[in-house]
Amino acid sequence: EAGVVQSPRYKIIEKKQPVAFWCNPISGHNTLYWYRQNLGQGPELLIRYENEEAVDDSQLPKDRFSAERLKGVDSTLKIQPAELGDSAVYLCASSLGLGGASEQFFGPGTRLTVL
Amino acid sequence: SQQGEEDPQALSIQEGENATMNCSYKTSINNLQWYRQNSGRGLVHLILIRSNEREKHSGRLRVTLDTSKKSSSLLITASRAADTASYFCATPDLIQGAQKLVFGQGTRLTINP
Repeated sequence: EAGVVQSPRYKIIEKKQPVAFWCNPISGHNTLYWYRQNLGQGPELLIRYENEEAVDDSQLPKDRFSAERLKGVDSTLKIQPAELGDSAVYLCASSLGLGGASEQFFGPGTRLTVL
Repeated sequence: SQQGEEDPQALSIQEGENATMNCSYKTSINNLQWYRQNSGRGLVHLILIRSNEREKHSGRLRVTLDTSKKSSSLLITASRAADTASYFCATPDLIQGAQKLVFGQGTRLTINP
């Protein structure tokens, strides 16, 4: 069974440029998460989807970040425009059940560097 | 806000020794999870212990949970070089929604050959 797929693995951009990350969750997993992980820290949730509905986006900086999950499968996270402080690893995860009560499966992440 | 805090922040031991990491949390939980992250990789789920459980085993891993002290420990026995990784505890945020997992800052474990 394929795991969570993310692309690209690495991205280097200049500040004020846009950037997008793509995630394909494990087949059959209804819940999808985007996390941001700063160096030396644990992941922090940005947004959670139940099928195609964003049910928790309280930590998503909505002035520059946006996300979508069309048809309740793949998801895209976008930053426009990027700032220096956005440099981090962006992790996508999925779960079969409720994320707080069940195992989450993580992708390898996209390491973003903003210059 | 971060719920769990791991201790120590970094741990270096010799191969074959046991490694113990601790996690403390602040609010009531219904379960606690441990994850491992190898360098440059995503997180891998290790074990989930429910609030009504005191101890759980999985291979060389042993997790304990003390809800009265709001703490958990992860013991890795007979460590191997491949155990070198960062280990995170995670707890559900029951205030803002049980579906949200809150991770600690992690313990960086190094196994020396």
